Amino acid sequence: QPVLTQPPSSSASPGESARLTCTLPSDFAVEKYNIYWYQQKPGRPPRFLLFYKSDSQKGQGSGVPSRFSGSKDVSANTGVLLISGLQSEDEADYYCMIWPGNAVFGPGTKVTVL
Amino acid sequence: EVQLVQSGPEVKKPGESLTISCKASGYNFPNYWIAWVRQEAGKGPEWMGIIFPGDSHTRLSPTFQGQVTMSADRSLNTAYLHWGGLKASDTANYYCARPSNVDTAIVDYWGQGTLVSVSS
Repeated sequence: QPVLTQPPSSSASPGESARLTCTLPSDFAVEKYNIYWYQQKPGRPPRFLLFYKSDSQKGQGSGVPSRFSGSKDVSANTGVLLISGLQSEDEADYYCMIWPGNAVFGPGTKVTVL
Repeated sequence: EVQLVQSGPEVKKPGESLTISCKASGYNFPNYWIAWVRQEAGKGPEWMGIIFPGDSHTRLSPTFQGQVTMSADRSLNTAYLHWGGLKASDTANYYCARPSNVDTAIVDYWGQGTLVSVSS
């Protein structure tokens, strides 16, 4: 089972952008995987936001605003979630996930809106 | 409207058995996988496995093989997660969820969670 790495926290002011990363171990090439992103608020189950494999293979969850977007940094073997125009309601934990035969979640990044 | 309603919180002692449930409504239960996801306090979700109620085919994550069993009763539209002998390390919140039929990694619908506490 791969271990995904996410920074524990990130903060930004309303209107700014937050760039969250999810680094895969070196034996799991990011190019090969869909990177899924989930949002979780306290006391609530996770919510699917989007997945990204490439610009031609991506998908947004139902009702998820377009200011949430995915990308990859292949040189860093990393998936990226960009939250543009940060809003107070975006304060939550964000988990990445890949599927190498079954779902593997990262440890999550807590986003604080200052 | 798709709904997954889970059974209530449980307080158990190590070694005891436990079954928690997940009642589905609003869709054709036999035709969609049900996933079980564990989440310890302050940690990320862990995928335990999935069951297809149509034929009870189960795929357990390696971490949970031999630790839990999954089952489903099509007549009751209900999925179950069972432990034969609980450990303190099983203390967590457990979610049932319904993945998309197009991509199992996309989980559209979630239950409210069942908190399981195991302590002597």
